[in-house]
Amino acid sequence: AQTVTQSQPEMSVQEAETVTLSCTYDTSENNYYLFWYKQPPSRQMILVIRQEAYKQQNATENRFSVNFQKAAKSFSLKISDSQLGDTAMYFCAFMNWVDSNYQLIWGAGTKLIIKP
Amino acid sequence: DGGITQSPKYLFRKEGQNVTLSCEQNLNHDAMYWYRQDPGQGLRLIYYSQIVNDFQKGDIAEGYSVSREKKESFPLTVTSAQKNPTAFYLCASSISAGYYEQYFGPGTRLTVT
Repeated sequence: AQTVTQSQPEMSVQEAETVTLSCTYDTSENNYYLFWYKQPPSRQMILVIRQEAYKQQNATENRFSVNFQKAAKSFSLKISDSQLGDTAMYFCAFMNWVDSNYQLIWGAGTKLIIKP
Repeated sequence: DGGITQSPKYLFRKEGQNVTLSCEQNLNHDAMYWYRQDPGQGLRLIYYSQIVNDFQKGDIAEGYSVSREKKESFPLTVTSAQKNPTAFYLCASSISAGYYEQYFGPGTRLTVT
């Protein structure tokens, strides 16, 4: 079974610090996509960043970047210069083609608190 | 503004009643999804639809039903057969089924007593 593991249930850092959220996944497939989503207290799920497995270059979106290690099946999210508005649940998700369907598998989430 | 709307934001029902959650999108997306979110867990897929008049069961479809009569609408019915219906329900859409990111609505919190 394909799974996504987020080993940090909760993290907290001071505003302006850098924080890294970890995510590992298990799959025997070679082609797949990875996503990080953010869910602030409003509970609106927002896409933060995506990574295609065939791309060696790590994806970046402003203050958000990933460290994608395909061999290790690791997909961590780095938030630089953290802001109070970054306080949210962060979910790692993995999508691939299984049993004639695309499946998005979700981790349990990491609660990130940015302290002023 | 393009987006996904879900209504209502909070819904209360008595046990034994069916209830329908609304999901509408004006993004012209072909694919739509329903997820359930429980505390401490990731999202679990209930149903998805890749095209109008077609839908497939997800991992936890028992006790739920859907319809897709229009491209922009994908309502979810929580039936009395669902043993533990109290949860947060999220609707999402994507351009089509495939390696495309999914965009989410604001969610509906359903409480059944």
